Amino acid sequence: GENVEQHPSTLSVQEGDSAVIKCTYSDSASNYFPWYKQELGKGPQLIIDIRSNVGEKKDQRIAVTLNKTAKHFSLHITETQPEDSAVYFCAAPTQGGSEKLVFGKGTKLTVNP
Amino acid sequence: DSGVTQTPKHLITATGQRVTLRCSPRSGDLSVYWYQQSLDQGLQFLIQYYNGEERAKGNILERFSAQQFPDLHSELNLSSLELGDSALYFCASSVGGWYNSPLHFGNGTRLTVT
Repeated sequence: GENVEQHPSTLSVQEGDSAVIKCTYSDSASNYFPWYKQELGKGPQLIIDIRSNVGEKKDQRIAVTLNKTAKHFSLHITETQPEDSAVYFCAAPTQGGSEKLVFGKGTKLTVNP
Repeated sequence: DSGVTQTPKHLITATGQRVTLRCSPRSGDLSVYWYQQSLDQGLQFLIQYYNGEERAKGNILERFSAQQFPDLHSELNLSSLELGDSALYFCASSVGGWYNSPLHFGNGTRLTVT
């Protein structure tokens, strides 16, 4: 089915703490997993993505991990800053090869100074 | 700035009316995608065009239609509008299909149906 579950829906952390957002997907043929950040009044912006041939990818304070066996992937943000406050979306393709990118329902992250 | 331009930014119209949303993709991008974002449904995929041809279809209502023109810009037409059509409509573009390259989103058109 076309389903991407994202948790939690809201997350509040103190500045400097880490934040973790998790997503599960249903299509075992899925092979590309992007994460988007959406700030108020703007469109989603790609912040990191991972393909199924790797288990982890890092870009400065952001990392994504993928567990293909369990069909879940996670976004990790370390040393959070107030400007990290936004809504984060995960996404995964459906029906293996079909060009439909299904998004999770989003996580509203608030970083408190 | 993603390089994807959407117009208008805001649109207020009445039920039963028809509107057209416009999208100009990033220079060099051949694919255009339309997504609808509402509070309770998140980002819902509507339709994708690649180099002028329809490539994939999502949960797009029959009252909605889209096209991609030879210059690669795209229009989303919404007709017989209902209150429930009020939402943010995003256009995104990519060089090829989504699995080859990232999607770049515009800043959306906020549609309000009264």
